[in-house]
Amino acid sequence: SQQGEEDPQALSIQEGENATMNCSYKTSINNLQWYRQNSGRGLVHLILIRSNEREKHSGRLRVTLDTSKKSSSLLITASRAADTASYFCAPFHSNYQLIWGAGTKLIIKP
Amino acid sequence: ETGVTQTPRHLVMGMTNKKSLKCEQHLGHNAMYWYKQSAKKPLELMFVYNFKEQTENNSVPSRFSPECPNSSHLFLHLHTLQPEDSALYLCASRPSGGGTDTQYFGPGTRLTVL
Repeated sequence: SQQGEEDPQALSIQEGENATMNCSYKTSINNLQWYRQNSGRGLVHLILIRSNEREKHSGRLRVTLDTSKKSSSLLITASRAADTASYFCAPFHSNYQLIWGAGTKLIIKP
Repeated sequence: ETGVTQTPRHLVMGMTNKKSLKCEQHLGHNAMYWYKQSAKKPLELMFVYNFKEQTENNSVPSRFSPECPNSSHLFLHLHTLQPEDSALYLCASRPSGGGTDTQYFGPGTRLTVL
């Protein structure tokens, strides 16, 4: 399988805490993207990290990429109730397709 | 709001019905996608169109028939579906070339096949 695989499958934390989600993939990539999906809605692009980058920040989001381990992590700092959603990593494969996993379901408890 | 719209948002149909899903994007993109999302499963890529030409058919059953009349519109024609086809169907678009790989998704059509 060439899927991006997220870990954990589900994560429940208190508001204000940091949330970390991990992603592993199997093949070489051009870049890796993270998306968020609110329940029953479309996916929204969060951040893209290129294969020659190791870390990238966007607001409260921090993404790392380790191409030698074929893994990435998404850190959301100071979580808020509005961050409750499913998060997907999508390695962008050299055949110009995004390879999707099943996502991490994040619940932020007030 | 991503600039990609899908209609209808919800659809209930019997196995003998024929219906169509519509996707429209106002972003000037040239690549459009249909995905199927079932509960607790990865997104499944169904079809890809680049400049109105189908470039990917991911072994989708013939009861799903895509149509791309122009770069802004994408349809998914449905006929004689099965209950296991019930899912969220997502449309996405992407600029072709230019090094932008981000996909922009519509809100999806929640399909229930009885």
